Amino acid sequence: DAKTTQPTSMDCAEGRAANLPCNHSTISGNEYVYWYRQIHSQGPQYIIHGLKNNETNEMASLIITEDRKSSTLILPHATLRDTAVYYCIVRVARTNFGNEKLTFGTGTRLTIIP
Amino acid sequence: SQTIHQWPATLVQPVGSPLSLECTVEGTSNPNLYWYRQAAGRGLQLLFYSVGIGQISSEVPQNLSASRPQDRQFILSSKKLLLSDSGFYLCAWGVWGSNGYTFGSGTRLTVV
Repeated sequence: DAKTTQPTSMDCAEGRAANLPCNHSTISGNEYVYWYRQIHSQGPQYIIHGLKNNETNEMASLIITEDRKSSTLILPHATLRDTAVYYCIVRVARTNFGNEKLTFGTGTRLTIIP
Repeated sequence: SQTIHQWPATLVQPVGSPLSLECTVEGTSNPNLYWYRQAAGRGLQLLFYSVGIGQISSEVPQNLSASRPQDRQFILSSKKLLLSDSGFYLCAWGVWGSNGYTFGSGTRLTVV
């Protein structure tokens, strides 16, 4: 399984763009990059995912480098409610059983500063 | 729409007592189901996953077991709880090829 590396913590000023990096240098060609976040004492929430192209939805943008060895999650206008732990995950697919599982690392604790 | 229900929200149990946490999913069929645990201040650890009724895969050896008696029901159990079983337990579901996984609201278990 591809492993991911994220900074332990980051701060961002309210209203500014929050850029969260993730390294996944051992990712294989059919593995997707997923981002989740976990607000304190809640279950993780899906944010966005991508394979090789940049993706954008109502929550965030995902920028994946051309070699796919790293990615950046961008929260364009961070609010206090975005304070959470953000997990970058590479999805493992076992095609012979058709099942999947997500393996979470320790994530990045993002604190939005008023 | 799909929803996931997990209960209870909090639980305090004495050491040596049994445990049963239930998770049910609505609005989908044949989902992959998962149990995760999060110790205080730590990341999420995958405990069990299931791709169908009666099919359980264990990720780590432990004092817990899981069962899937129905397509949309996933149960986490223990015959005798240990202090080290304390933590935040999360159920999740996903469908092959879907855009993401949905997590329940979690059960905070304290073993005393």
